[in-house]
Amino acid sequence: AQKVTQAQTEISVVEKEDVTLDCVYETRDTTYYLFWYKQPPSGELVFLIRRNSFDEQNEISGRYSWNFQKSTSSFNFTITASQVVDSAVYFCALRIYNQGGKLIFGQGTELSVKP
Amino acid sequence: DTGVSQDPRHKITKRGQNVTFRCDPISEHNRLYWYRQTLGQGPEFLTYFQNEAQLEKSRLLSDRFSAERPKGSFSTLEIQRTEQGDSAMYLCASSSKGLAGTTSTDTQYFGPGTRLTVL
Repeated sequence: AQKVTQAQTEISVVEKEDVTLDCVYETRDTTYYLFWYKQPPSGELVFLIRRNSFDEQNEISGRYSWNFQKSTSSFNFTITASQVVDSAVYFCALRIYNQGGKLIFGQGTELSVKP
Repeated sequence: DTGVSQDPRHKITKRGQNVTFRCDPISEHNRLYWYRQTLGQGPEFLTYFQNEAQLEKSRLLSDRFSAERPKGSFSTLEIQRTEQGDSAMYLCASSSKGLAGTTSTDTQYFGPGTRLTVL
């Protein structure tokens, strides 16, 4: 069975701190995709990144960076110099290649960035 | 492209009533998905369409739920005889599944959701 675990339910930081959100996934399939989405208080899920299972290169986009490690089945997300606008719930998700399109989501991590 | 839109944004109904939600995907996206999200949880997959064909349904989709995408564009999700346990956010997403030989990211883009409250 496939599963995504985000062990951190809530994280609270002060502005300008760095913060890492953890994501661990389970699957026996060799071809899959991993995603991060942001859900601000307005409720709409915003796509942040997609990574396929054959690409373990870390990625940086501005203050955001992602660390994909197949050896530990983890796909962690780091925000550098956090800002109040980063406050949201962040979801990690898994999609298995050739098993339709459904995303399997973790329970989410609520990030609160205080000024 | 305009984003995914959903209507209504909020719906309050009494137990036993029927409700219908609409989703308009990003134009030219051939895949459309429905998810349900309850408070404090991640979204859970309900069903998806490729064009007008419903290709997969979750066990969560009881016989009181029905989804359609008649012309391969917008979709509707109907819940009959609503129960209090149906109270949730219903999310729609769309993606573009490329034809053979073409590139496709198949990344799902979500709408703002319809929040259902069953009294």
